[in-house]
Amino acid sequence: DGGITQSPKYLFRKEGQNVTLSCEQNLNHDAMYWYRQDPGQGLRLIYYSQIVNDFQKGDIAEGYSVSREKKESFPLTVTSAQKNPTAFYLCASKMNTEAFFGQGTRLTVV
Amino acid sequence: EDQVTQSPEALRLQEGESSSLNCSYTVSGLRGLFWYRQDPGKGPEFLFTLYSAGEEKEKERLKATLTKKESFLHITAPKPEDSATYLCAAFHSGGYQKVTFGTGTKLQVIP
Repeated sequence: DGGITQSPKYLFRKEGQNVTLSCEQNLNHDAMYWYRQDPGQGLRLIYYSQIVNDFQKGDIAEGYSVSREKKESFPLTVTSAQKNPTAFYLCASKMNTEAFFGQGTRLTVV
Repeated sequence: EDQVTQSPEALRLQEGESSSLNCSYTVSGLRGLFWYRQDPGKGPEFLFTLYSAGEEKEKERLKATLTKKESFLHITAPKPEDSATYLCAAFHSGGYQKVTFGTGTKLQVIP
């Protein structure tokens, strides 16, 4: 069953801790994206990657880091430098002009 | 500045009452216009991609159309299960296959 898998679904983090969100796809898509969604705002791009071992900052990359060591995987690390990390995080992959999303990870800082 | 604007922000319909959602865009080099449905607490579900002005696509009670400046999502005889937030996004030339999202229209269909 092809698709994009994000884990965990819910994540709680203490202030000052780094945390890594997982995103795996088996669609054989080249491009992968991380978005952040906050109430009343559109999806905002954090990072994107077009190919393995390459990634670029999006509009709100500060306080986040990524890696793309495998085509299937694009993990996002939310670092302690991110001032307001509580949000719903969405991973997407795209081939040509079709883009699909995972089910999201809700991160809460406690 | 690349921008995608959706209206209305929220829409409440009676079951069977047809209506349209609007997505206007100002982007450089549009390559495709996406429509998604998003249920609370879940990721967006892909509905359509429209590529050029004049194009139309249909899926059950939904029909998406595209002009040079905007896209419409027409909902015919909606049912309560159509209640969701509908997102549009413009895929355009921006140095990195940029996709710009609107803020969505929250649709509620009352039985």
